[in-house]
Amino acid sequence: NAGVTQTPKFQVLKTGQSMTLQCAQDMNHEYMSWYRQDPGMGLRLIHYSVGAGITDQGEVPNGYNVSRSTTEDFPLRLLSAAPSQTSVYFCASSGSRDVNYEQYFGPGTRLTVT
Amino acid sequence: SQKIEQNSEALNIQEGKTATLTCNYTNYSPAYLQWYRQDPGRGPVFLLLIRENEKEKRKERLKVTFDTTLKQSLFHITASQPADSATYLCALGREYYGNNRLAFGKGNQVVVIP
Repeated sequence: NAGVTQTPKFQVLKTGQSMTLQCAQDMNHEYMSWYRQDPGMGLRLIHYSVGAGITDQGEVPNGYNVSRSTTEDFPLRLLSAAPSQTSVYFCASSGSRDVNYEQYFGPGTRLTVT
Repeated sequence: SQKIEQNSEALNIQEGKTATLTCNYTNYSPAYLQWYRQDPGRGPVFLLLIRENEKEKRKERLKVTFDTTLKQSLFHITASQPADSATYLCALGREYYGNNRLAFGKGNQVVVIP
C-alpha cells in the first residue's frame, strides 16, 4: 500500500493563479480531509469528505474548492491564490471501521504564493 | 471558542529520562483524544487514542492520561531515546455529521539529548 500520496511536493504560485493539489489514497477509506499547517497555528481543517460525492467545509474553507468523484481521490483547488495561502497542506484519510479513528496523513505540499 | 493549548517551548530532556507533555483544552467536550508524532518535513503519524471514559492508556514506552474534569491530557515517553526527538501533537475528536472531526493543538517539540 502506498497509503496517502500528495502531489506536488513543492509549488510556487503568483498571486491570482489557480492550481489543484492532488491527493490519493489506496486504503479504501471513506473519510478524507485537507488541512493546512502554519507556524504557530497548528493544523486547521479546510474541507472534508465522508464519501464519494459528499463534501463539506471545515474551519478555514474560503478560497478553496474540493470535489470527491471517487473514493480514492480528493483534490483541493485554489481558485485565485493569495499570499495568505502560503502554507503546508496535508491530506488525510481515515476508515469508518477504525476503532482508533486514526488519520493517515500524506507527506504534504509546501505552497508559496508570491 | 474552543482552545487547545500545548507548550510552545521545546522540551529538552536527557536520554533515558521520562518526557512529559501537556495538552489542555477549553470550551470543548471531546469524545476522544489522540496523540500524533510529526517529524520535520513529514505528515503527522498516529500514536495513541484515549476515550473520554478512559483514564490511562499505554503503548510500549508511551503512556497517555485523560482527565475530563481538568480538561487535560498528559503524554509520557519513558526511557526516552534520541529517536524520540520530534514534535508531538494532541488532537481532540468528536463525531460531526457522520465524520470524526479533529481539532489539533499546535504541537510541542521534544529534543532528547544523548
